[in-house]
Amino acid sequence: AQSVTQLDSHVSVSEGTPVLLRCNYSSSYSPSLFWYVQHPNKGLQLLLKYTSAATLVKGINGFEAEFKKSETSFHLTKPSAHMSDAAEYFCVVSSSNDYKLSFGAGTTVTVRA
Amino acid sequence: DAGVIQSPRHEVTEMGQEVTLRCKPISGHDYLFWYRQTMMQGLELLVYFNNKAVMDDSGMPKDRFSAKMPNASFSTLKIQPSEPRDSAVYFCASSLARGGVYFGPGTRLTVT
Repeated sequence: AQSVTQLDSHVSVSEGTPVLLRCNYSSSYSPSLFWYVQHPNKGLQLLLKYTSAATLVKGINGFEAEFKKSETSFHLTKPSAHMSDAAEYFCVVSSSNDYKLSFGAGTTVTVRA
Repeated sequence: DAGVIQSPRHEVTEMGQEVTLRCKPISGHDYLFWYRQTMMQGLELLVYFNNKAVMDDSGMPKDRFSAKMPNASFSTLKIQPSEPRDSAVYFCASSLARGGVYFGPGTRLTVT
């Protein structure tokens, strides 16, 4: 069994300040972990993925995430938020024994000018 | 690469009618997924294929939904008869082995 918990349903930041989106996972097998972003009325875009290589993963648009096995966490960060980062973000886990993706409930990011 | 292509982008239909959603995965990808997104349930996996074979359809209401993948570059999701509770955004996605899963733009279905 696998699951994902996104610890914040809504995050509000000022433009130019850091963003932190928290994600904890559980998985019976070696997990693959992903972050997706969804802008309003759009599809889901893959930001980055962890598949058992380097624990610090760099993605698109300045985002990065760190896999911490001891904490079962995969938090997403960006050093400086931009207005265009306002969207919903999903943390996703899949296990090595199948390809089902388990989605977190999502975190809505608001960026204040 | 064109990405995952879905059609139609929007569909409005009356209850009881048949609806067919179409998907063209990214060329070379061997996994194809159908997801449904609603405000209440979030993202739900309906069915997924590997090399055109159904691997898991446990999330799909089988009395009215059917999914097919007749070839590596095309899949359909059919709803017959449609009901208002089927109103949602339906996403098709594809992936290659253990790579990332890439989503299409979605089909927004409204059943009145």
